Amino acid sequence: DTEVTQTPKHLVMGMTNKKSLKCEQHMGHRAMYWYKQKAKKPPELMFVYSYEKLSINESVPSRFSPECPNSSLLNLHLHALQPEDSALYLCASSQDPTDDRGGRSPLHFGNGTRLTVT
Amino acid sequence: EDQVTQSPEALRLQEGESSSLNCSYTVSGLRGLFWYRQDPGKGPEFLFTLYSAGEEKEKERLKATLTKKESFLHITAPKPEDSATYLCAVQAGNNRKLIWGLGTSLAVNP
Repeated sequence: DTEVTQTPKHLVMGMTNKKSLKCEQHMGHRAMYWYKQKAKKPPELMFVYSYEKLSINESVPSRFSPECPNSSLLNLHLHALQPEDSALYLCASSQDPTDDRGGRSPLHFGNGTRLTVT
Repeated sequence: EDQVTQSPEALRLQEGESSSLNCSYTVSGLRGLFWYRQDPGKGPEFLFTLYSAGEEKEKERLKATLTKKESFLHITAPKPEDSATYLCAVQAGNNRKLIWGLGTSLAVNP
């Protein structure tokens, strides 16, 4: 079982709905990430939180709004999505954005939320 | 431009038939190379980190190696439960964004 928990596992929403994805980790990691993954493609970075502050926004449309209430929790608020936003949304965490070798410590992923926008 | 290429795109093996997956990279200043395994409908599962040429890591039937241009994931005597997509990702220079390959889809037949 993964140590990064994501809820819900599946979500179907209309284009006018507002919903939120939730992610929780209890590994003491200080960096948390949102990724989007389409079928047969690698994960695509959306946001990075480092020590609970947003450090990277990969030019994501404003209909996606991240939030990091504390070091263990990460939310992704969704509003007015388009059908092309349908994808697997993955949360990940890492011990620290950089480790003592100067490289990034590995990411630990949750099992994702399968989002369908109708 | 930094780039990561995985080959083959797909691989089908018989149980017990050993093989290798390749991840070649062209980046400026390798900081780390990561291997992940992903099962359908699940998130990627971390396997290995390699930092410098000559480094090797092992876990059960898997062994990862690194040179200055590529990494290999050797699978010895695979079992059907090793069937998955194997993803390679590289962190380079001061870029905090991982560069991902497209993955190798491995199927092991009993």
